[in-house]
Amino acid sequence: ETGVTQSPTHLIKTRGQQVTLRCSSQSGHNTVSWYQQALGQGPQFIFQYYREEENGRGNFPPRFSGLQFPNYSSELNVNALELDDSALYLCASSLVPSGINEQFFGPGTRLTVL
Amino acid sequence: AQTVTQSQPEMSVQEAETVTLSCTYDTSENNYYLFWYKQPPSRQMILVIRQEAYKQQNATENRFSVNFQKAAKSFSLKISDSQLGDTAMYFCAFMKFIGSQGNLIFGKGTKLSVKP
Repeated sequence: ETGVTQSPTHLIKTRGQQVTLRCSSQSGHNTVSWYQQALGQGPQFIFQYYREEENGRGNFPPRFSGLQFPNYSSELNVNALELDDSALYLCASSLVPSGINEQFFGPGTRLTVL
Repeated sequence: AQTVTQSQPEMSVQEAETVTLSCTYDTSENNYYLFWYKQPPSRQMILVIRQEAYKQQNATENRFSVNFQKAAKSFSLKISDSQLGDTAMYFCAFMKFIGSQGNLIFGKGTKLSVKP
C-alpha cells in the first residue's frame, strides 16, 4: 500500500509568483485535506476536498485554491505569493471526511518565498 | 471557535523514564475527537493516539496513554519507558464529531528531546 506522497519536496519562489503543489492520496482514500505549517507553529487547515468537491475551508484568502482529480490526487495553488506564505505545506488523506477515520499525512512541501 | 493550547514549548526526558505532555482545549461541543500527533525531524506527521470524547475510558497504545479530563478540557499524553526514537514535535489536535468536514485544529506543539 502506497502512502501519501507530495511533490516537490522543496520550492523557492519570489513574491508575486504563483505555485502549484501536488499530493497523491493513499490508495482507497477519497478525501484530501491541506494544511499550512509555519515555522514553529502547528498546522493550520486550508481546505478539504471530498470526491472532487471542496468540502470546507479554513481562514485563508481566495488566492489559495485547489483541485481534486478523479483518482483523488489533489493540487494546491497559491497565486500572488507573499513572504508570509513561506511554510511547510502538508496534505493528509483519509477514507472519509470524519474523525472516525485516521488522516494520513504526507512528508510535506517546503515553500520559501523570497 | 475551538482552540488548542500546549503550554510546554520544549521538554526533555532521560531514556527509559516517563514524561507527560500537557494540552488544554476550548470548545462548546459535547462530542468530539482528540488526538496526539508526532512529527519527527524527518517531518512526516503520524498519529500516536486518539480519544473519543464520549468514551470515559482513557485511550492507551503500548507505551502511550492519555489522561482525558472532559470537564477540565484537558488531554495530556504520557510516554512511558521513553526511547530515543520518541524525540519529535508532539501536537495535540481537536476535531468536531458531527459534520462531514473532518478538519483538525492543532496546538503549537511541544518539542520533546529524549536524552541517552
